[in-house]
Amino acid sequence: NAGVTQTPKFQVLKTGQSMTLQCAQDMNHNSMYWYRQDPGMGLRLIYYSASEGTTDKGEVPNGYNVSRLNKREFSLRLESAAPSQTSVYFCASSEWEPPYEQYFGPGTRLTVT
Amino acid sequence: EDQVTQSPEALRLQEGESSSLNCSYTVSGLRGLFWYRQDPGKGPEFLFTLYSAGEEKEKERLKATLTKKESFLHITAPKPEDSATYLCAASGNTPLVFGKGTRLSVIA
Repeated sequence: NAGVTQTPKFQVLKTGQSMTLQCAQDMNHNSMYWYRQDPGMGLRLIYYSASEGTTDKGEVPNGYNVSRLNKREFSLRLESAAPSQTSVYFCASSEWEPPYEQYFGPGTRLTVT
Repeated sequence: EDQVTQSPEALRLQEGESSSLNCSYTVSGLRGLFWYRQDPGKGPEFLFTLYSAGEEKEKERLKATLTKKESFLHITAPKPEDSATYLCAASGNTPLVFGKGTRLSVIA
């Protein structure tokens, strides 16, 4: 089992460019999450999907959109990248109740210049 | 607003010197308290889940405990390979709220 996979591993964007971060899990989990991690800020939830067909905003959703493509895949889109979105992005998956632990991918390091 | 605070921010130990990391939380209706380990350049790795006050979990040199206001991660006789950032997270009305972590360095 690969667990949670993320692509790409690294990305450099210019301000205003768009991109999509991809995430897939092979653990048959119902719930998936996107976080960003910044120095001194810890992990912050951007969006989550409790089950296929649903998505909800987390703590810091502005500037992002998500798509739960199917049970395995959950993508994060930056429509017009800004330097403030320079961060490391992690995808995670879990079962939803009672709550269960989340399993994380290796991360995508994004730099916006 | 749900909050998780970890202390200290950084901790430096000699090999074999036991210590504890603190995680205090203010979460409405705590449903689970989680501990993770994160190595540089990697994603967090799950360690423990605690669901109710008084619960304890152990794994090798690590032991996690939970009270109604805080959780502790006790490290007994640490080794250099225990060096990492340890993250605490709590689930209440939101999926998970993370603390900023404690960066542990164990010196041989």
